[in-house]
Formats: sequence, C-alpha cells, structure tokens
Amino acid sequence: AQSVTQLDSQVPVFEEAPVELRCNYSSSVSVYLFWYVQYPNQGLQLLLKYLSGSTLVESINGFEAEFNKSQTSFHLRKPSVHISDTAEYFCAVRRQGGKLIFGQGTELSVKP
Amino acid sequence: DTGVSQNPRHKITKRGQNVTFRCDPISEHNRLYWYRQTLGQGPEFLTYFQNEAQLEKSRLLSDRFSAERPKGSFSTLEIQRTEQGDSAMYLCASGEAVDGTEAFFGQGTRLTVV
Repeated sequence: AQSVTQLDSQVPVFEEAPVELRCNYSSSVSVYLFWYVQYPNQGLQLLLKYLSGSTLVESINGFEAEFNKSQTSFHLRKPSVHISDTAEYFCAVRRQGGKLIFGQGTELSVKP
Repeated sequence: DTGVSQNPRHKITKRGQNVTFRCDPISEHNRLYWYRQTLGQGPEFLTYFQNEAQLEKSRLLSDRFSAERPKGSFSTLEIQRTEQGDSAMYLCASGEAVDGTEAFFGQGTRLTVV
C-alpha cells in the first residue's frame, strides 16, 4: 500500500529565509507526485507535480521540488520565502490509474 | 467553468440526523473524488467515481456513508445517523482519468455534529 510521510508538522521561518518541506513516500510501483497548498479558509490548490523526465520541477511562485527515486523523496524548497507563503502544504502520491494519497501536511509559518 | 462547487459550505446538525452534501465537478472531468479532512490532518480518501461507476471505497468508510453519481455529473455524499466523530471538512475533487493529471478541489463542506 502507498503511504506518504511529511516529516515536519510545523515549520516556522523568517521572511526571506530558505525553506525545505520534507516528503517521503512508499510505493512498490511508479507513482506521480504532487504538492498542494492550502491557504487559510481556502481549498487545496496544486503547487507543482512530477510525472516523468527532469527530476526537478518548479512552480510559478518560486517553489521547486526534486524527485529522488533512490530515497523515495519529493522535498519542496524555496530559496527565499514571503509572508504570503504562510499556508499548509500537502504532499501527495498517485499511482497509475489510482487515487491521490496525501501526507499529514506541513504548516509553514513565515514571520517578519 | 467556475471549478468544483460544493454545497452547502457549512452544515450544523444534531447527532443522529442524516445529512447530504452535493458536489458539482468541472464539467469535462470524468473522475470525482470525496475526501475527509480533520484539523491538523491531510485529506483522507473516502471514495471515487469514474463517470457513474464507484470504483473504490475506503475501508474506513462505515456503512452509514453512501455516495452516488447517478448521471456521471454531480455527486452526493450522504451520512446517516451522524455522530460527533463525523465532524470534519468534506472535500470533493474532480479530474481526468488520464495518468499524471491532478485533481481539482472544491472549497469543501464543513460539517459540525452537535
């Protein structure tokens, strides 16, 4: 069975500092990997996804994630965060033809 | 298309009552998912449809829960004899069956059982 582990439940950082949100997954088959973001009182929005090809994927707002097959990880990074990045971030996996399985979430809190 | 729409946005009900939620997916999407999210947790899979067929149902879903998608368009999720433990945000998402495509989420229905 698939599972997703987000290693940090809360990550407090100062504005303009770098951040890494960690995600590990377990699956015996190839999977597709996603990061979703949930701003306060809003629904989940797709941030970025890995399907195949280059292991580094980027979002339009400066986040990037790297697929590491040997370590079964898909960590999310941003070199310099803004106050507006404060949100809950969810890592998710989906195998071929299957459903999305989510991690527990990481609350990113950016302080001035 | 305005995205995935869920109604109502909030529902307060007394324990033991039945409730029904509705989800209208993005029109061209043939997949429809239901998830439940409690405070501090990630969305937990409940069930999903491809067109009108219910393809999978979580083992965590008790027989008090039932979902339908009668014409392959909108879907309803009914909870019978609600319990306080059913209090949660119920999320609906839609997507395509094509591998690698993401799911698009609605705003959710927040259920409070008192």
